[in-house]
Amino acid sequence: DTGVSQDPRHKITKRGQNVTFRCDPISEHNRLYWYRQTLGQGPEFLTYFQNEAQLEKSRLLSDRFSAERPKGSFSTLEIQRTEQGDSAMYLCASSLVAEQETQYFGPGTRLLVL
Amino acid sequence: DAKTTQPNSMESNEEEPVHLPCNHSTISGTDYIHWYRQLPSQGPEYVIHGLTSNVNNRMASLAIAEDRKSSTLILHRATLRDAAVYYCILREFNAGNMLTFGGGTRLMVKP
Repeated sequence: DTGVSQDPRHKITKRGQNVTFRCDPISEHNRLYWYRQTLGQGPEFLTYFQNEAQLEKSRLLSDRFSAERPKGSFSTLEIQRTEQGDSAMYLCASSLVAEQETQYFGPGTRLLVL
Repeated sequence: DAKTTQPNSMESNEEEPVHLPCNHSTISGTDYIHWYRQLPSQGPEYVIHGLTSNVNNRMASLAIAEDRKSSTLILHRATLRDAAVYYCILREFNAGNMLTFGGGTRLMVKP
């Protein structure tokens, strides 16, 4: 257990529905990252926050995806109008600002869109 | 980001050393070499990182070639719990952003 928690761990939804995932980082960590991982591939970066500011977003993050980190603590990732291609593991990681900081990953939320 | 190349898979016997190679011929002078691993059904976890000199920690050793175009992650005595996908990642100095994962090497450990 790294101290990063994600909820839910599994989600099955129908195409077109909206889903929201939550990530609780290690409490003193000011950076929070979201990644997506499909079967057999390495994780791909989606977006990251430093405190409450969203500093970078990948081109993978279509306008159906939105992430927030109110008050610089937990974060939510929402996917609107889900598509079958959104089926993946969604990973959250947190870190402290440092020269080459270690990222601590949560267990992920596995999404299946039917 | 500079690219890394790793074998898709490797096998090892339990309690023997394992050498996991990584090629990064386009590495720049300010790129750090990071290794993460991902156990089945878990998120990735940090293993080790280095810049030029070889590095040791409780999990592994990192041997970096003199020209920095390749590196090797060394597990001194593989256990069944070391079966995982190992990712070699380059990060720029002061890069406060994402990790760029490749396909990694799937390590299988035989009892």
